[in-house]
Amino acid sequence: AQKVTQAQTEISVVEKEDVTLDCVYETRDTTYYLFWYKQPPSGELVFLIRRNSFDEQNEISGRYSWNFQKSTSSFNFTITASQVVDSAVYFCALSDSNSGYALNFGKGTSLLVTP
Amino acid sequence: KAGVTQTPRYLIKTRGQQVTLSCSPISGHRSVSWYQQTPGQGLQFLFEYFSETQRNKGNFPGRFSGRQFSNSRSEMNVSTLELGDSALYLCASSLEAYPRYEQYFGPGTRLTVT
Repeated sequence: AQKVTQAQTEISVVEKEDVTLDCVYETRDTTYYLFWYKQPPSGELVFLIRRNSFDEQNEISGRYSWNFQKSTSSFNFTITASQVVDSAVYFCALSDSNSGYALNFGKGTSLLVTP
Repeated sequence: KAGVTQTPRYLIKTRGQQVTLSCSPISGHRSVSWYQQTPGQGLQFLFEYFSETQRNKGNFPGRFSGRQFSNSRSEMNVSTLELGDSALYLCASSLEAYPRYEQYFGPGTRLTVT
């Protein structure tokens, strides 16, 4: 069963729009970790953020922000004022005891930002 | 600091052959993990090595194996290649055993099996 669901397969926005990528996860653990990675066309996965289950504080890094809500098992990612360079596939991942803490990835959301 | 490097970047093999992929982690990193990425199955965990020992293994057949050397470099081997093994194979390294530490990925090796 898919433990990380990224319901949005593809999103297309115009430059400078804000965009939110959704991530819903499923785990029985009280201690777990959530990640976001970016995969540009070059193929390399770029680490964006790691969050542990005890830290529900929202995080902002430049134009990127993350909203972690345990009550809804969601860890959403927002890009403010999107740019063409943000075009990539974004993956949400869960790390819990069920996988021995290996990364369990969602299917990814392909984001296309057009000028 | 140099990132994770993987060699070769591209590989074409024939069904039934075997292949070895190499991964050099970031200097000082002791944990190396391998993932397979395909359009159908997405990103799937293969195995993780830490201090030359396999610490975790995903749900892949025994044809997939790996090892880690004393300098933390890792290799993975796939024997008796099948068409379905065509994929992007990604290596990731972390300072110590995850998940306390982030995993940083290499550019991948794209394997095509014909």
